[in-house]
Amino acid sequence: DADVTQTPRNRITKTGKRIMLECSQTKGHDRMYWYRQDPGLGLRLIYYSFDVKDINKGEISDGYSVSRQAQAKFSLSLESAIPNQTALYFCATSDSGTPTNTIYFGEGSWLTVV
Amino acid sequence: AQTVTQSQPEMSVQEAETVTLSCTYDTSESDYYLFWYKQPPSRQMILVIRQEAYKQQNATENRFSVNFQKAAKSFSLKISDSQLGDAAMYFCAYRPFSGNTGKLIFGQGTTLQVKP
Repeated sequence: DADVTQTPRNRITKTGKRIMLECSQTKGHDRMYWYRQDPGLGLRLIYYSFDVKDINKGEISDGYSVSRQAQAKFSLSLESAIPNQTALYFCATSDSGTPTNTIYFGEGSWLTVV
Repeated sequence: AQTVTQSQPEMSVQEAETVTLSCTYDTSESDYYLFWYKQPPSRQMILVIRQEAYKQQNATENRFSVNFQKAAKSFSLKISDSQLGDAAMYFCAYRPFSGNTGKLIFGQGTTLQVKP
């Protein structure tokens, strides 16, 4: 089983609908992230959380919200989806107790907004 | 602003041969981390190798090694004895030591084709 699990893996939704992407991890890491990947581009940071009570905006947070329900769970919501939010979304984790704080990614959730 | 540039959109290599993927970055920081991630068709982002900027020794992980040139701000990835399973998109990424938001700055990626 994957250490960082994302659900759903694929979703098609309509413009204006609310959609939630969920992430859970078994790595025991304290930090969690949501990234977005557009075709031909690298990943960009949407939100990050250093612990359950700490949520921070990344570089492209507009149109998104997050919830850190527990140390192991971090969900991303699109309150009113729009077509340019069609992308591959990655949840990621890292351990602040390690020197490099390396970020490990989930398997990705492909979201299509029509 | 910190940027990462991968100037090779596509590369190809014969199975069992060696290939080098290029990456340059721009930063005014002295302490930072550099990473190579692999993204196969399955879409997962897999960590290949990492390098701490304060370490002069180049990182090595089995068939994967880097050539880290701090003064030139260059961080290339060498894949030795290429295998069909190495075919993927490879991303170079930078993370500053200070601030520590977890924000990785990615390059545009290089698609590697491995020919049998």
